[in-house]
Amino acid sequence: GENVEQHPSTLSVQEGDSAVIKCTYSDSASNYFPWYKQELGKRPQLIIDIRSNVGEKKDQRIAVTLNKTAKHFSLHITETQPEDSAVYFCAAGGGDAGNMLTFGGGTRLMVKP
Amino acid sequence: DGGITQSPKYLFRKEGQNVTLSCEQNLNHDAMYWYRQDPGQGLRLIYYSQIVNDFQKGDIAEGYSVSREKKESFPLTVTSAQKNPTAFYLCASSDHAAGNYGYTFGSGTRLTVV
Repeated sequence: GENVEQHPSTLSVQEGDSAVIKCTYSDSASNYFPWYKQELGKRPQLIIDIRSNVGEKKDQRIAVTLNKTAKHFSLHITETQPEDSAVYFCAAGGGDAGNMLTFGGGTRLMVKP
Repeated sequence: DGGITQSPKYLFRKEGQNVTLSCEQNLNHDAMYWYRQDPGQGLRLIYYSQIVNDFQKGDIAEGYSVSREKKESFPLTVTSAQKNPTAFYLCASSDHAAGNYGYTFGSGTRLTVV
């Protein structure tokens, strides 16, 4: 089955700096890669996703890049703000597991004012 | 709650007691999932259901049971066999439409053993 590894597990940045979170996956058939943001005590919410037919996708201050050859994808947050502080989860799906997503272990991002 | 509702928000369980967590969605999604989240940890899959009247065990199904009698409902029962049930429980759903794999999560139930 699919296995998703996420790094780092914690990340502390100064407000205004960039943050990068990386994930690797094992199933070369996976073709959908979403990122979820979970604030403390709240539900995970989809912030951006990418499919295997593109290499990069941007939405304002966030972007995701995908390298299918190397089987890794990354979340980039620029000009970080305190409200970006949360746990971020990557996931992979659409491979042998069909519509099921396999989640990474999460990254706790702390943005210091 | 964005089309998927979990209740109650907080639940307290006595030792040896079974409790049921509710999950209802009005998104017409075929698939539904239950995850457990411990403090500072990731999401662990308990059970999932791809279609009505069918469900499969996830990675940590022991001590839990589910049913899927209606498309919109996927209740989770935490039985007395689950020795450490204190956690945050998340329900999610997804559409089977081709290539549409995104999950919608409920707002969660925080279960505490007293």
